[in-house]
Amino acid sequence: RKEVEQDPGPFNVPEGATVAFNCTYSNSASQSFFWYRQDCRKEPKLLMSVYSSGNEDGRFTAQLNRASQYISLLIRDSKLSDSATYLCVVKLYGGSQGNLIFGKGTKLSVKP
Amino acid sequence: GAVVSQHPSWVICKSGTSVKIECRSLDFQATTMFWYRQFPKQSLMLMATSNEGSKATYEQGVEKDKFLINHASLTLSTLTVTSAHPEDSSFYICSASGLAGGLGETQYFGPGTRLLVL
Repeated sequence: RKEVEQDPGPFNVPEGATVAFNCTYSNSASQSFFWYRQDCRKEPKLLMSVYSSGNEDGRFTAQLNRASQYISLLIRDSKLSDSATYLCVVKLYGGSQGNLIFGKGTKLSVKP
Repeated sequence: GAVVSQHPSWVICKSGTSVKIECRSLDFQATTMFWYRQFPKQSLMLMATSNEGSKATYEQGVEKDKFLINHASLTLSTLTVTSAHPEDSSFYICSASGLAGGLGETQYFGPGTRLLVL
């Protein structure tokens, strides 16, 4: 079983739509959780951290369910500029310091 | 703040040559730097973790004699791909963090170096 699994998509949605991405992780010892966005041929950029209580940043809402080892990202009112690949990332403590485990990403394409 | 640069941004080389990639933290001191590799349509994979002034810790399956890492200062780490072959062609990305744990645990990524070995 892969450590971090995501639906690769692509998700093709019209502008203004609401879209949700899901992610599952296999290591119950995972301590920190993040969503990154990666544009084509660019480095990943931190979108938001994910907290147990759920957190929101503008149009983006992240949720974490530790019992189910499940993370989600909701994007409301999609913009053309939201088109990118969204990476689910978990961090383990212990082993390599600061080891981030990346999912393969979910590709989002927002159309006019 | 927290800007990380990489040089070069892309490189094309012949098989058998060595390629050095630099990673710099421009406005903070990076106690730890990480090197990742990403093949097309694949996830980023951690290759090694380096702490300033000590030997890098390599992930399983990464040849330390082929991928030489030097982290001689708090703002510079280098990755040298020795005797590069076509299968080493990939997108190499570094990241840096300023502190171990706490508020400084965020990794800041460089823009990446695209390597093509002919």
